[in-house]
Amino acid sequence: DTEVTQTPKHLVMGMTNKKSLKCEQHMGHRAMYWYKQKAKKPPELMFVYSYEKLSINESVPSRFSPECPNSSLLNLHLHALQPEDSALYLCASSPNRAGANYGYTFGSGTRLTVV
Amino acid sequence: KNQVEQSPQSLIILEGKNCTLQCNYTVSPFSNLRWYKQDTGRGPVSLTIMTFSENTKSNGRYTATLDADTKQSSLHITASQLSDSASYICVVSPPMDSSYKLIFGSGTRLLVRP
Repeated sequence: DTEVTQTPKHLVMGMTNKKSLKCEQHMGHRAMYWYKQKAKKPPELMFVYSYEKLSINESVPSRFSPECPNSSLLNLHLHALQPEDSALYLCASSPNRAGANYGYTFGSGTRLTVV
Repeated sequence: KNQVEQSPQSLIILEGKNCTLQCNYTVSPFSNLRWYKQDTGRGPVSLTIMTFSENTKSNGRYTATLDADTKQSSLHITASQLSDSASYICVVSPPMDSSYKLIFGSGTRLLVRP
């Protein structure tokens, strides 16, 4: 299995809702990432987990809450989002945290719309 | 100034034609340079990965070149197909152990017309 699987593929939520995005990989990778991508822009790094511990938080608002329950699973909990948070949310994984990893793999993304 | 700049921003070509996309970078040294294909609304898919010392790497109809002297990379697409319509992103990885961040270009949006 060489894939990063993200669910759901699409999500529409209201500003008062609580929802979660899920990401799963079974490649034995020990680093996992959340990115946010707006239309026609490159992905922007949000969080980095290394060996199930939060390693990097790129000054992301607290309405985004990441969680790494185990080495294969990464969640992003969403609460009280704003319409400007609408974007494609990408998960990625790599063998370890070094940016040079050949095995850096992206998921297909979750298209989030906040109404 | 972006550390990775791509040109053109967008490109339209006819099916069956070849095209070349450019990537200029200032990150040096680096561990590897990657080209990704990204369909609209989907995640990036890796096409090629080259180390600092490699000059060329092919993947089917995609051929990437790297000139470390001029700090330029190009992605050549041969005999384009309608399914090649996508954004193509150049990404530079920092040297091992120096940083966790990938450095993304803004991409070239390619449209292949029948």
